[in-house]
Amino acid sequence: KQEVTQIPAALSVPEGENLVLNCSFTDSAIYNLQWFRQDPGKGLTSLLLIQSSQREQTSGRLNASLDKSSGRSTLYIAASQPGDSATYLCAVEGYNKLIFGAGTRLAVHP
Amino acid sequence: SAVISQKPSRDICQRGTSLTIQCQVDSQVTMMFWYRQQPGQSLTLIATANQGSEATYESGFVIDKFPISRPNLTFSTLTVSNMSPEDSSIYLCSAIAGGQSGELFFGEGSRLTVL
Repeated sequence: KQEVTQIPAALSVPEGENLVLNCSFTDSAIYNLQWFRQDPGKGLTSLLLIQSSQREQTSGRLNASLDKSSGRSTLYIAASQPGDSATYLCAVEGYNKLIFGAGTRLAVHP
Repeated sequence: SAVISQKPSRDICQRGTSLTIQCQVDSQVTMMFWYRQQPGQSLTLIATANQGSEATYESGFVIDKFPISRPNLTFSTLTVSNMSPEDSSIYLCSAIAGGQSGELFFGEGSRLTVL
């Protein structure tokens, strides 16, 4: 059974810091891994999708890497801003379903 | 990408009643999914809804409690039946957009409070 773990559970940083959020999964037989952002009381916004054959994806200040063999992914946020404050969720897809981690709650203060 | 609309966005319901949540996608999609997010927790998959066939439910979820319809490739409904306070959650509809290899998009969610 696939299990997804995200560390840390919460993070509070001053504006401008570079951040690394971690995601690990127990079954390496995945099709892809996706990072989402969720603002309080809202749905999920897709940030980055990494196919199982890829090593990383970049979008603006965000960079996500995938090491399928070790069951790990990291989301790197450069030059963090208060607007980045949200919960970040990773999810792995295998066998036509996405399994989510519990998320990292990020607060960036001015 | 895909734009997914859900309604109602929120509702307050009485114990024992049922509520149907609607999900509309702006393009045709093969697979739609329903998730539940209980307060302070991550997302749990309820079921996968495919057009033209019965929904596939995950362990712990049954059709009598969460009947799902999928009449066409752009629309689905989830009913939460005989509600109890434990059903108070955010229910999210999602779909894999056509042309995107596995990228999942979500609606804004429906926040249900059961009194």
